[in-house]
Amino acid sequence: GAVVSQHPSRVICKSGTSVKIECRSLDFQATTMFWYRQFPKKSLMLMATSNEGSKATYEQGVEKDKFLINHASLTLSTLTVTSAHPEDSSFYICSARLNRVNYGYTFGSGTRLTVV
Amino acid sequence: AQKVTQAQTEISVVEKEDVTLDCVYETRDTTYYLFWYKQPPSGELVFLIRRNSFDEQNEISGRYSWNFQKSTSSFNFTITASQVVDSAVYFCALSPNFGNEKLTFGTGTRLTIIP
Repeated sequence: GAVVSQHPSRVICKSGTSVKIECRSLDFQATTMFWYRQFPKKSLMLMATSNEGSKATYEQGVEKDKFLINHASLTLSTLTVTSAHPEDSSFYICSARLNRVNYGYTFGSGTRLTVV
Repeated sequence: AQKVTQAQTEISVVEKEDVTLDCVYETRDTTYYLFWYKQPPSGELVFLIRRNSFDEQNEISGRYSWNFQKSTSSFNFTITASQVVDSAVYFCALSPNFGNEKLTFGTGTRLTIIP
């Protein structure tokens, strides 16, 4: 149980276009989701925390107008990279906080974005 | 502020050898949780263990074992009789309170098991 499905797994887009990444909790309700970014051979850096029904909280240095996060339902959170540039190429991964205290988090399988 | 340090960037060992991955953390919270995750080349994060700050018992799960020492703020991970399938990047992470707040990740250790 507690599976998060993340799509797409890989996407290539042209500079200037927007890309949407979806994370769905399949068998539980995720009131809180975290979005991370990982550069090649680097650690995961938290970009933002999204709570269902409210605005996301962005970490310092993350452009909220560039990385739009929507968490409109208890089972779906989306990250839209707007007007993508090559420097946005990265691995993006979502994580849902499990509501039961003892179970921590579950992660999506990640999305590798390449902007050409 | 929270910080997780994994000083070993890359480690290579020959198959069947034992290997220990180090993790040192910093936090001002009295209650916190520590995690280890495995990230294979495919990219997904595989949960390995979650340990709260009040439980200093060492844990063993098959070939994996963890040594949590609050006195040195360390949470080290040992793989015994390593196998090629253990090759991956391993991350140590820290979360305040009850372990369901945002995670602070270490920089990861890339482990390569040589056949």
